[in-house]
Amino acid sequence: KQEVTQIPAALSVPEGENLVLNCSFTDSAIYNLQWFRQDPGKGLTSLLLIQSSQREQTSGRLNASLDKSSGRSTLYIAASQPGDSATYLCAVLDSWGKLQFGAGTQVVVTP
Amino acid sequence: DTGVSQDPRHKITKRGQNVTFRCDPISEHNRLYWYRQTLGQGPEFLTYFQNEAQLEKSRLLSDRFSAERPKGSFSTLEIQRTEQGDSAMYLCASSPTDSNQPQHFGDGTRLSIL
Repeated sequence: KQEVTQIPAALSVPEGENLVLNCSFTDSAIYNLQWFRQDPGKGLTSLLLIQSSQREQTSGRLNASLDKSSGRSTLYIAASQPGDSATYLCAVLDSWGKLQFGAGTQVVVTP
Repeated sequence: DTGVSQDPRHKITKRGQNVTFRCDPISEHNRLYWYRQTLGQGPEFLTYFQNEAQLEKSRLLSDRFSAERPKGSFSTLEIQRTEQGDSAMYLCASSPTDSNQPQHFGDGTRLSIL
């Protein structure tokens, strides 16, 4: 049974610092891995999708890496801003098209 | 592209009542998913459709839950005889058939059982 874990559960950093969010999964037979952002009371916004054959994806200040063999992914957010405050969720997609989510990392960026 | 739309945004009901939620996916997306999210947790998969066919259901989806997508467009999720434990955010997502395209989520329906 796939288990997805995110560490830390919460993180507070001053504006301008880089953010490092970790995600681990127990079954390496994944189709892809996705990172999402969730604001309070809202749905999820897709940030990055890494296919199982890829090692990383980049979009603006965001960079995500994937090491399928060790069951790990890391999301880096450069030069954090107060607007980056949100909960960040990682999820792995299995061959049946189901996403399995971690519990998320709640990020607060202080001005 | 108007995004995934869910209705209602909030639903408060008494234990034992039936509730129905609606999801309108992005129009060109063949796949539609339902998830449930409780406070402090990530979403949990409930079921998904490809066009009108329901392809998979989670064991979380008890007999009191039923989902339909009659014409392969919008979907409904019905909960019969609601219980306190059904209180959660119910999220809908849609995607193209290509699994390497991300799922797009609606803002969810928050269900509160009194």
